[in-house]
Amino acid sequence: GAVVSQHPSRVICKSGTSVKIECRSLDFQATTMFWYRQFPKQSLMLMATSNEGSKATYEQGVEKDKFLINHASLTLSTLTVTSAHPEDSSFYICSAGGQGGGYTFGSGTRLTVV
Amino acid sequence: GNSVTQMEGPVTLSEEAFLTINCTYTATGYPSLFWYVQYPGEGLQLLLKATKADDKGSNKGFEATYRKETTSFHLEKGSVQVSDSAVYFCALSDSGGGSYIPTFGRGTSLIVHP
Repeated sequence: GAVVSQHPSRVICKSGTSVKIECRSLDFQATTMFWYRQFPKQSLMLMATSNEGSKATYEQGVEKDKFLINHASLTLSTLTVTSAHPEDSSFYICSAGGQGGGYTFGSGTRLTVV
Repeated sequence: GNSVTQMEGPVTLSEEAFLTINCTYTATGYPSLFWYVQYPGEGLQLLLKATKADDKGSNKGFEATYRKETTSFHLEKGSVQVSDSAVYFCALSDSGGGSYIPTFGRGTSLIVHP
């Protein structure tokens, strides 16, 4: 079945540095990928919709300059958290697919900013 | 580990029919349970949730009851509409050592005909 590979699964970084999270569709082409964020004991929050070859569409309240999304190919989308701060610590997850109604999620990335 | 199993789709119904989408889970801890909905071309949206046994989540005519004894969280609606056509995801969020990593089902596509 469809697989979405997300890396890294866990990352710890220092405040002020940038972190890149990759999301790859391994056996299918994904023209659209979604990026979500989840806070403890809360539901997923859609951050942005990533479209191959064009600018991402960000949800209201999400800082475009802080959360840079690039979807350079049909199999790769990246989320870069720039100048990370402790409040950016969270769980980030991507998803892709939609053919026949099935969506596949990446395994998620636990970001801790210290 | 944690897992979520939901019935495979697509589920095809006529308008005003009764809907049930089954969801069962396994978890190491005491999870919160969620149903998300994804309309065509959009990201996930939280539909409803329940955080403890016997809680009933409800929204937009949809309901689901947290059944700890059967480890289930089936989604129901008494009378579906064409506008309910979407993909529905069951999910759990478990403390898992404090990380609250979410686990999703694969999604069930619902198609409602006029």
